[in-house]
Amino acid sequence: QVQLKESGPGLVQPSQTLSLTCTVSGFSLTSYNVHWVRQPPGKGLEWMGRMRYNGDTSYNSALKSRLSISRDTSKNQVFLKMNSLQTDDTGTYYCTRAEAAFPFDYWGQGVMVTVSS
Amino acid sequence: DIQMTQSPSSISVSLGDRFTITCRASQDIGNYLSWYQQKPEKSPKLMIYRATNLEDGVPSRFSGSRSGSDYSLTINSLESEDTGIYFCLQHKQYPYTFGAGTKLELK
Repeated sequence: QVQLKESGPGLVQPSQTLSLTCTVSGFSLTSYNVHWVRQPPGKGLEWMGRMRYNGDTSYNSALKSRLSISRDTSKNQVFLKMNSLQTDDTGTYYCTRAEAAFPFDYWGQGVMVTVSS
Repeated sequence: DIQMTQSPSSISVSLGDRFTITCRASQDIGNYLSWYQQKPEKSPKLMIYRATNLEDGVPSRFSGSRSGSDYSLTINSLESEDTGIYFCLQHKQYPYTFGAGTKLELK
C-alpha cells in the first residue's frame, strides 16, 4: 500500500540547516509528485515546495532562497534541505503525494522539528 | 499568491446537526479546491476533491459545493467522529495555499 515516512532530526539549532528525508513505498516517484508541507504548533498548513515526477521542482517564494528539494529514485526518497533556520521554522513537517492536477491524497505521519539552542 | 479566506474559525455543533464551512478564493481557482479533516496529532485526511467529489471511504454525509469563488463543505447529521479541524486547499496555482482552518467541536 501507499506509504510516506518522514525522518530527520527533532532538534535543530538556530541558523543551522534542516535536512529531512521522505521515504515512499507503494508508488513510483517517476509517476507522482511529492510535496512538502509544514505546520507550526497550533497553526495552519503551509505549502513549501514540490518534487515533480519528472524531477522538476517548485518552491514557495517565501522560502525559495533557503529551500532545496531533491530526490533519489533508486532509494524511493525525496529530500528537503532548508538553511538559516529560525525559531518560527519550528513545526511538523509532512511529505505528501499528489497526481498532477489533483490534491494531496496520502500523507506521511509528519516529523516534529524544533528550532532551539 | 491566492488567498483562501475560511470561515468560521471555530464552531460548536450538536450531534445530528447540519453545518457548513466556507472558503472564499481571492482569484479564480476553478474547481481546484479540496477539503481536509485533521485530528489532533494526525496528518490531514482528504475528504473532498475538485470541489464536489467525495474521496473514497468518506461518509456520504459530507458534501462539497461551489458558488462562484465560494466553496463550501457541508456535513449533514454530525457524528461524534467528525470533530477536528477542517482545512481547504487550492491547488490551481503555486504556491498552493490553505485556508486557516475551522475547529469543529461538539456542543
